[in-house]
Amino acid sequence: NAGVTQTPKFQVLKTGQSMTLQCAQDMNHNSMYWYRQDPGMGLRLIYYSASEGTTDKGEVPNGYNVSRLNKREFSLRLESAAPSQTSVYFCASSFLDGNTEAFFGQGTRLTVV
Amino acid sequence: SQQGEEDPQALSIQEGENATMNCSYKTSINNLQWYRQNSGRGLVHLILIRSNEREKHSGRLRVTLDTSKKSSSLLITASRAADTASYFCATVDPTQGGSEKLVFGKGTKLTVNP
Repeated sequence: NAGVTQTPKFQVLKTGQSMTLQCAQDMNHNSMYWYRQDPGMGLRLIYYSASEGTTDKGEVPNGYNVSRLNKREFSLRLESAAPSQTSVYFCASSFLDGNTEAFFGQGTRLTVV
Repeated sequence: SQQGEEDPQALSIQEGENATMNCSYKTSINNLQWYRQNSGRGLVHLILIRSNEREKHSGRLRVTLDTSKKSSSLLITASRAADTASYFCATVDPTQGGSEKLVFGKGTKLTVNP
């Protein structure tokens, strides 16, 4: 099993460009999450999806959109990238009940210049 | 704002010593989880302690939970250089009505010197 797979691993964007970060899991998990990690800030929740067809905002949703395409895939879109969105982005998944561990992808390092 | 806050932010010890990290949180919880992150990698789950548990062990890890103080501690005994990593606590707020908002603290960066 691959677990949680994120693509791409690295990306450089110019201010104003758009892009979509892809995430897929093969563990039949219900819940999926997108986080960003900045130095000294820990992980901050951007959006999450408790199940296919539902999405909810986290702590820092501004500037992002998400799509829960199906149970396996949860994508994060930056419509107009800004330098403040330079960060490392992590996707994670878990079962719905919240009483089990979350599994993380390896991260996408995004730089907006 | 983030649910959990780890303390200290950074910890440097010698191999063989014990390392203790603390986590405080703000609201009621169903469980509290600890994760580890090696530099440049994703997070890996270490241990989960439920709200009705006070202590849990896994190998060299010992986690305690005090719901009256809204705090948890992670103890790593007989540390090794390979334990060098950042450690995060995470909680799911049950007041969110079934939604699974898993939130993390800022982490403790542990350095174990050989």
